[in-house]
Amino acid sequence: DAKTTQPPSMDCAEGRAANLPCNHSTISGNEYVYWYRQIHSQGPQYIIHGLKNNETNEMASLIITEDRKSSTLILPHATLRDTAVYYCIVRARGGSNYKLTFGKGTLLTVNP
Amino acid sequence: EPEVTQTPSHQVTQMGQEVILRCVPISNHLYFYWYRQILGQKVEFLVSFYNNEISEKSEIFDDQFSVERPDGSNFTLKIRSTKLEDSAMYFCATTSQPHQPQHFGDGTRLSIL
Repeated sequence: DAKTTQPPSMDCAEGRAANLPCNHSTISGNEYVYWYRQIHSQGPQYIIHGLKNNETNEMASLIITEDRKSSTLILPHATLRDTAVYYCIVRARGGSNYKLTFGKGTLLTVNP
Repeated sequence: EPEVTQTPSHQVTQMGQEVILRCVPISNHLYFYWYRQILGQKVEFLVSFYNNEISEKSEIFDDQFSVERPDGSNFTLKIRSTKLEDSAMYFCATTSQPHQPQHFGDGTRLSIL
């Protein structure tokens, strides 16, 4: 799986949009971008994933650049409960390698 | 929303003892995974399991570890002779199809004394 690079930490004001970047410059054509988050002492929580088109669900939006070398997770109206470590993970769709490889992620702190 | 349930939430065991961690997957999920997270470190893959067989395992998953689905519902991780370095959070994850997102339980905190 391609390696990802994320900033170690970010701050965001409550009610504002949180934009979390991820670089995955070595991503290959069959690899998806997944985002998970981990709130303190809980299990990782799936947020969203995409291949090349932008995606939106009830939790967030995922913007993937045209060359697919980077992406941004957008939390449109961050709340204090969104404070967590956010992981960007690249994973192939096919084959037998279905495991998730977690990096250190980005610690997002939402401030009141 | 359906959840992955893990028991116990916290297990304290003497070094050298056997432990069994349990996971109840979401009902239509057939692909199962165990991950662990040592305090302050990254979440690490241990093993994947499908159709009563291990699909993939990491270097961490040595002969002291085993997994099974004994009764068609629970999915278990057994550590035969625990070591101090086995102290960690252990997370179970499940999915209906391998390319679909994995859903995680809230983990078992294993403390080896």
